[in-house]
Amino acid sequence: EAGVAQSPRYKIIEKRQSVAFWCNPISGHATLYWYQQILGQGPKLLIQFQNNGVVDDSQLPKDRFSAERLKGVDSTLKIQPAKLEDSAVYLCASSLTTSVYNEQFFGPGTRLTVL
Amino acid sequence: ELKVEQNPLFLSMQEGKNYTIYCNYSTTSDRLYWYRQDPGKSLESLFVLLSNGAVKQEGRLMASLDTKARLSTLHITAAVHDLSATYFCAGPLNNNDMRFGAGTRLTVKP
Repeated sequence: EAGVAQSPRYKIIEKRQSVAFWCNPISGHATLYWYQQILGQGPKLLIQFQNNGVVDDSQLPKDRFSAERLKGVDSTLKIQPAKLEDSAVYLCASSLTTSVYNEQFFGPGTRLTVL
Repeated sequence: ELKVEQNPLFLSMQEGKNYTIYCNYSTTSDRLYWYRQDPGKSLESLFVLLSNGAVKQEGRLMASLDTKARLSTLHITAAVHDLSATYFCAGPLNNNDMRFGAGTRLTVKP
């Protein structure tokens, strides 16, 4: 079974620029998550989708971050404009909502450096 | 709000030794997860603990859950270098909202 795919793997931008990340979850997984992992910390949930609807975006800085999952499969996360403190690894994860384990499977992440 | 605390945050141990990583969480949770992360890599699921008293073992790692004490442990037996990584515990705040601990960076030295 193919895992969660993310691209790009690395991105370097200057502050105030815009950037977008893409995620393709495991086939059949209805729930998709975006996490931000700052160096030396655990991942922090930014947004959770159930199919194409937002379940939780309480920790998403909505003044600069946006995310969508228009067809309930792929998702994009955008930052506009980026700040220095946005430098982090952005992880996408997916899960089978019906699974009793509710286990999340993570993609390889996109490492963002804001200069 | 669910808070997840791990200790120690850094652990250096010699090969062949045993040690335990602790994960305390602040509110009632019926599930607890352990993940492993190698440097520059993503998170790999190790254990899913679903009920009080649950114990799971995989190789040299054993995880347990005590929901009454709000404590999970990850025990390492006879450590080997390949176990060097960062280990995270995580618990669901609600539905699928996962809250992660800060991680325990384990280094196993020969």
